[in-house]
Amino acid sequence: QPVLTQSSSASASPGSSVKLTCTLSSGHSDYIIAWHQQQPGKAPRYLMTLESSGSYNKGSGVPDRFSGSSSGADRYLTISNLQSEDAADYYCDTWDSNTYWVFGGGTKLTVL
Amino acid sequence: EVQLVETGGDLIQPGGSLRVSCAASGFSVSSNYMSWVRQAPGKGLEWVSVIYSDGRTYYADSVKGRFTISRDNSKNTLYLQMNSLRADDTAVYYCARPVRGNDSSGYRYYYYMDVWGKGTTVTVSS
Repeated sequence: QPVLTQSSSASASPGSSVKLTCTLSSGHSDYIIAWHQQQPGKAPRYLMTLESSGSYNKGSGVPDRFSGSSSGADRYLTISNLQSEDAADYYCDTWDSNTYWVFGGGTKLTVL
Repeated sequence: EVQLVETGGDLIQPGGSLRVSCAASGFSVSSNYMSWVRQAPGKGLEWVSVIYSDGRTYYADSVKGRFTISRDNSKNTLYLQMNSLRADDTAVYYCARPVRGNDSSGYRYYYYMDVWGKGTTVTVSS
């Protein structure tokens, strides 16, 4: 079954950019993933799906500052022009017809 | 507007039972896949269960045999019946709607959660 690995934390300054990584386990490098944002004390919010080609589709209302890219087994979420409200936990997940949904451990983003 | 609202969370003793509900609006639960995802205090997200539009149900190994997912089409509501509850079932329970997508080639499909409820808290403790 696929396993998703995320760094536990990241930090960046307001107005800068940050790139979060979600790495798929061996044998699953072609899987499509989804990114979700969870602001403190709130429910998760769907951001985008992201393919191995780097093609991504964002959810309704997701700002243009959010973009996705891929390299091999790595899936990236880039947030440009960081705002204070971007401080959140970010989760990736993937679906498999045998194991259904698997989530990464999440990355806590601090906007300094 | 598409919306999911969970209710029914409570403090329950170990070994007890509880049913949580998720009322949907703006779409039909019977025509969609519907899922439960939970989050233990200070931890990440964990998929719990899914019900397909054709009624088939699937569960994570951690809850298999103890939890049952169901829906009431007339009430447009999703349920999760939880039996033999344990302390490690303590979590916020979110309902979510998985939808199908196709990759850019059009040959490969996948499912992702595009709408989430605000969650309901289940605490298992004596």
